[in-house]
Amino acid sequence: AQKITQTQPGMFVQEKEAVTLDCTYDTSDQSYGLFWYKQPSSGEMIFLIYQGSYDEQNATEGRYSLNFQKARKSANLVISASQLGDSAMYFCAMISRAGGTSYGKLTFGQGTILTVHP
Amino acid sequence: ETGVTQTPRHLVMGMTNKKSLKCEQHLGHNAMYWYKQSAKKPLELMFVYNFKEQTENNSVPSRFSPECPNSSHLFLHLHTLQPEDSALYLCASNSKDRATYGYTFGSGTRLTVV
Repeated sequence: AQKITQTQPGMFVQEKEAVTLDCTYDTSDQSYGLFWYKQPSSGEMIFLIYQGSYDEQNATEGRYSLNFQKARKSANLVISASQLGDSAMYFCAMISRAGGTSYGKLTFGQGTILTVHP
Repeated sequence: ETGVTQTPRHLVMGMTNKKSLKCEQHLGHNAMYWYKQSAKKPLELMFVYNFKEQTENNSVPSRFSPECPNSSHLFLHLHTLQPEDSALYLCASNSKDRATYGYTFGSGTRLTVV
């Protein structure tokens, strides 16, 4: 069974500063994928960044980077130069890639509410 | 618009009503999903459809009945719901194309059962 743990119910950051959102995971699979999603108050889940378990480099997408530490089973999201529009709920999620499939169950963490102060 | 469209955005229904949620995607994705998001709980997978075939039912009560007539459309038929079924219902889709490795979610239907 897979499990995602996000231990920070809420985080606060000053505008233009960097913030790290924590995510640890548990799986017995060797091949898996890790995702971060942003959910504004409007409800839609916005894909931010993806890290494959065999990717040697940490994923980056603009102001988002994923600090992947495989041995520690952690996949923290780093947001640089925070903006007011970054205030939202953030979810870490994972999927098993066993068998090379891209289909199947995304397991989500509980989420972290990020508030960016001006 | 994310590419996955859900209607309606908001729905209030009585416990004896019958209603349907609709999800539509024209991204060429082959798999579609229903997720339930309740307050203070992680998202829960409800159903998975792969090439129109249901491949997973995550122990969902029979008062929720999914339908997938083709790879682009997914419905969730609701009947005799309970107040605890009030939640945000999210539809998602994905494909094997690595360029779109992430799942694309709709904006959700916020359901209130009274």
